[in-house]
Amino acid sequence: EAQVTQNPRYLITVTGKKLTVTCSQNMNHEYMSWYRQDPGLGLRQIYYSMNVEVTDKGDVPEGYKVSRKEKRNFPLILESPSPNQTSLYFCASSRGRSEQFFGPGTRLTVL
Amino acid sequence: LAKTTQPISMDSYEGQEVNITCSHNNIATNDYITWYQQFPSQGPRFIIQGYKTKVTNEVASLFIPADRKSSTLSLPRVSLSDTAVYYCLVGGLKTGANNLFFGTGTRLTVIP
Repeated sequence: EAQVTQNPRYLITVTGKKLTVTCSQNMNHEYMSWYRQDPGLGLRQIYYSMNVEVTDKGDVPEGYKVSRKEKRNFPLILESPSPNQTSLYFCASSRGRSEQFFGPGTRLTVL
Repeated sequence: LAKTTQPISMDSYEGQEVNITCSHNNIATNDYITWYQQFPSQGPRFIIQGYKTKVTNEVASLFIPADRKSSTLSLPRVSLSDTAVYYCLVGGLKTGANNLFFGTGTRLTVIP
């Protein structure tokens, strides 16, 4: 089944404790992206990647890192999480400009 | 970066046709217009995509005027299960950049 998977689905952590949210797709898509969703602000893009080793900042990259060492994986790294990064995170993949396939989301709470 | 403006919310009765308009005055020549649907706590789901004129698929139609500064998503005969947030997205492949802007979307509530 074609899908985008994210792990973990739920995470509660404390300020400053490094964490990684994994994202994997099995559709051989070149393009992958991370979004965060907050009430009243809609979906905002954090980082995107157009292919392996090619990443770029979206609208809200501060406090986040990404890497794209393999085509299928695009992990989101929070080196020192803060409470303002409490949010619902979505990973997505697509082939070029075509429709994006979204993962199920990761709900992160930073205390 | 082309950004979009949509109504914050809309209500409709079951069985009616719903039209949601999106404004994108700064759309670039190589930008496409894409609409997504999102239910609570789920990732957005692709509905339809177009470049100009009219596009129709099994769930919706997309109308784009000649100047492409706006677009209208048309949902025929909505049901309660169409209650969701609808996002208009403008973007496309550009050399060295492909960031996309979702905005806050339009919250559609279908009333029995």
